[in-house]
Amino acid sequence: RKEVEQDPGPFNVPEGATVAFNCTYSNSASQSFFWYRQDCRKEPKLLMSVYSSGNEDGRFTAQLNRASQYISLLIRDSKLSDSATYLCAVNMDNQGGKLIFGQGTELSVKP
Amino acid sequence: GAGVSQSPRYKVAKRGQDVALRCDPISGHVSLFWYQQALGQGPEFLTYFQNEAQLDKSGLPSDRFFAERPEGSVSTLKIQRTQQEDSAVYLCASSLAGKVWTQYFGPGTRLLVL
Repeated sequence: RKEVEQDPGPFNVPEGATVAFNCTYSNSASQSFFWYRQDCRKEPKLLMSVYSSGNEDGRFTAQLNRASQYISLLIRDSKLSDSATYLCAVNMDNQGGKLIFGQGTELSVKP
Repeated sequence: GAGVSQSPRYKVAKRGQDVALRCDPISGHVSLFWYQQALGQGPEFLTYFQNEAQLDKSGLPSDRFFAERPEGSVSTLKIQRTQQEDSAVYLCASSLAGKVWTQYFGPGTRLLVL
């Protein structure tokens, strides 16, 4: 089993839809959690850190469920410009800055 | 300000050749990371430096892979005797001390081994 797993998609949704991505991690010692966005043939860019209490940034909401070992990303009112691959990343506190990434979930928002 | 830069952006190598990939981190960033990203996959950790010290090289796939950061700034990832399975995008990331998980990625070097 991979340490971090995501549904690869693609998720094809119309503009304005709400879409949710889940990411599961295998190591209960994981301490820090992130969502990155990666556009085609570009580098990953940090979208959000994920905190235990959940956090929101505009149309984006991230949640952490430690008991079930998953994190989620909710995108509301999706825009064409949200089309990208969304990567979750996990760090274990005793491994310095090493991030373990999922394989990414592709999102395509259609007009 | 300037972000992380990497060179070359594209590299085609014949199997068996040695390649060297360069990363210039954001000025003042203490931590530097190398990741390998295969097509359709997420980045996979290769190695991590704090200043000039290589603190973790657990992700380097074989002894053909070698990374250095001799002056604590620019880093070079060297791959000896390249194989076809080395074809991937090699991403470099840097971060500030104390914010090691907030990593800023460079555009990557696309390596194709024929």
